[in-house]
Amino acid sequence: ETGVTQSPTHLIKTRGQQVTLRCSSQSGHNTVSWYQQALGQGPQFIFQYYREEENGRGNFPPRFSGLQFPNYSSELNVNALELDDSALYLCASSPERTGGSYEQYFGPGTRLTVT
Amino acid sequence: AQSVTQPDIHITVSEGASLELRCNYSYGATPYLFWYVQSPGQGLQLLLKYFSGDTLVQGIKGFEAEFKRSQSSFNLRKPSVHWSDAAEYFCAVSGGYNKLIFGAGTRLAVHP
Repeated sequence: ETGVTQSPTHLIKTRGQQVTLRCSSQSGHNTVSWYQQALGQGPQFIFQYYREEENGRGNFPPRFSGLQFPNYSSELNVNALELDDSALYLCASSPERTGGSYEQYFGPGTRLTVT
Repeated sequence: AQSVTQPDIHITVSEGASLELRCNYSYGATPYLFWYVQSPGQGLQLLLKYFSGDTLVQGIKGFEAEFKRSQSSFNLRKPSVHWSDAAEYFCAVSGGYNKLIFGAGTRLAVHP
């Protein structure tokens, strides 16, 4: 069983640029969530996709957007990068929701540095 | 509002000593609670979870946690710490389908 994978591992961008991060969910999982983890902090929820539809969003501006594809892989896009966007971006997948309880399985993350 | 508090930012223990990491949550309904571990530069690994039932839950790597509704706590314990347990530990609550809410984490150092 393949776990959650993310690409690229590291990325350096300049302020104002745009970036796309990618995530392949664990086999059999149809829900993908994205989190931002700034240095020294816990992960913060960005948004979640379920069957290709956005299914909840955290307190992040619209320049953070996403997609989920029919194979349940996902992208996180960030436009007009700011220095504060420098963080570890984590993708997590989870299986079909049942009874409102589920666990999320995390990928290794993409380290984004904005200069 | 839902929140998670991990009161200890750093904890240092000697190898072989017991460990308890504290977690307090704020959530109106019955919470779904998790502990994750993160090694440097890596993603999060699920240690254990509480959804319902027995309030003492067992996880991987010899960890356990106890849900205490009266204290709004979900503390993580291990009877004997190994040097490989040095990492950052995050407590999280699920507010429902949508998201996990994490604490700020506790960094564990293990002395030989």
